[in-house]
Amino acid sequence: NAGVTQTPKFQVLKTGQSMTLQCAQDMNHNSMYWYRQDPGMGLRLIYYSASEGTTDKGEVPNGYNVSRLNKREFSLRLESAAPSQTSVYFCASSEDGSRANSPLHFGNGTRLTVT
Amino acid sequence: LAKTTQPISMDSYEGQEVNITCSHNNIATNDYITWYQQFPSQGPRFIIQGYKTKVTNEVASLFIPADRKSSTLSLPRVSLSDTAVYYCLVVLNAGNNRKLIWGLGTSLAVNP
Repeated sequence: NAGVTQTPKFQVLKTGQSMTLQCAQDMNHNSMYWYRQDPGMGLRLIYYSASEGTTDKGEVPNGYNVSRLNKREFSLRLESAAPSQTSVYFCASSEDGSRANSPLHFGNGTRLTVT
Repeated sequence: LAKTTQPISMDSYEGQEVNITCSHNNIATNDYITWYQQFPSQGPRFIIQGYKTKVTNEVASLFIPADRKSSTLSLPRVSLSDTAVYYCLVVLNAGNNRKLIWGLGTSLAVNP
């Protein structure tokens, strides 16, 4: 089992460019998440999907869109990248997002730089 | 509104026991406390979780006092490979709208 796989690992964009970060999990989990991690600010939730077919905004959704393509895949799109979106992006999944004792499993992140 | 607070950094030596405390106010009796470990260039990795008293697994123990205003992650006999950032997470058990409140992480340095 690969767990949670994120692509690409690294990306450099110019301001205004668009891109999609891909995430796939092979654990048959229902819930999936996108976080960004910035120095001194910890992990901040961008969007999550409680189950296939549903998506909800997290703390910092502005500038992002998501698609829960199927149960396995949850993509994050930046339509017009800005330098403030320079960050490390983590995708995570959990078996059942409605259960407090359902731990998150994280991918190894995408390091994005916007110039 | 629940908030989690943990020390920014800690130092230790190989073979010592390390205790990292997280403060979390305003949590309900069935809200969970979870700890994650993160190495550079990797995603956070689940270590342990609980909601009351004491939980132990093969890598750590989690102590939660009766008032549940704090919790302590205990790492027995640390080694150099335990150098990492440790995150405290409170999961507010609000049904379909559960909320995850992350601490900012404690950077643990284990010295030889």
